[in-house]
Amino acid sequence: QLVLTQSPSASASLGASVKLTCTLSSGHSRYPIAWHQQQPEKGPRYLMKLNSDGSHYKGDGIPDRFSGSSSGAERYLTISSLQSEDEADYYCQTWGPGIRVFGGGTKLTVL
Amino acid sequence: QVQLVESGGGLVNPGGSLRLSCAASGFIFSDYYMSWVRQAPGKGLEWLSYINSSSSAIFYAGSAKGRFTISRDNAKNSLFLQMNRLRGEDTAVYYCVRERYCTGGNCIDTFDIWGQGTMVTVSS
Repeated sequence: QLVLTQSPSASASLGASVKLTCTLSSGHSRYPIAWHQQQPEKGPRYLMKLNSDGSHYKGDGIPDRFSGSSSGAERYLTISSLQSEDEADYYCQTWGPGIRVFGGGTKLTVL
Repeated sequence: QVQLVESGGGLVNPGGSLRLSCAASGFIFSDYYMSWVRQAPGKGLEWLSYINSSSSAIFYAGSAKGRFTISRDNAKNSLFLQMNRLRGEDTAVYYCVRERYCTGGNCIDTFDIWGQGTMVTVSS
């Protein structure tokens, strides 16, 4: 069964970096994912598509502070030089045959 | 610009029906698969259904199967979600999303354009 697992919460200080993790279920380690950001009281926004080899393709207007990387079944979103507007929920999402799957989301707090 | 605009949400009684629409603009609608995603208050994102470019392939999540029907009209650049036998747990913001792009036999997975969402409240 295709499942994405995310930690419910993360925190980091203003100006620092943070690395969020999304883990693919067993047997699905080569699947690409997408990262989406949802700021408070707003709709989701696509950040990037991230492949198993770490190559990633960002959406229009996404700052260079956002980057992606991969290791095995884990997909990472790194946000550097954290700003207050980065405080948001972050969801990973993937594509399966006949299905689309979201992770449970990580709530990022910027201290 | 590339845009998706949902409409059709509102307050409906349990057991009632609602038809959501999503108007696409700024891109070749018929080149893309489309999905519906919802978000209940205070909860995460839940994928509901997707439809391919020609409407020949349609898939549903378990929560939508048998009650919801996705469709599209490429001539009108529009996506629809017919929701029947609505329940309280269907209360959510519903989003349409542009996804897989196919042309010349090649497909590229994306999930890159979201609408602003339309609120559906199921309550008596």
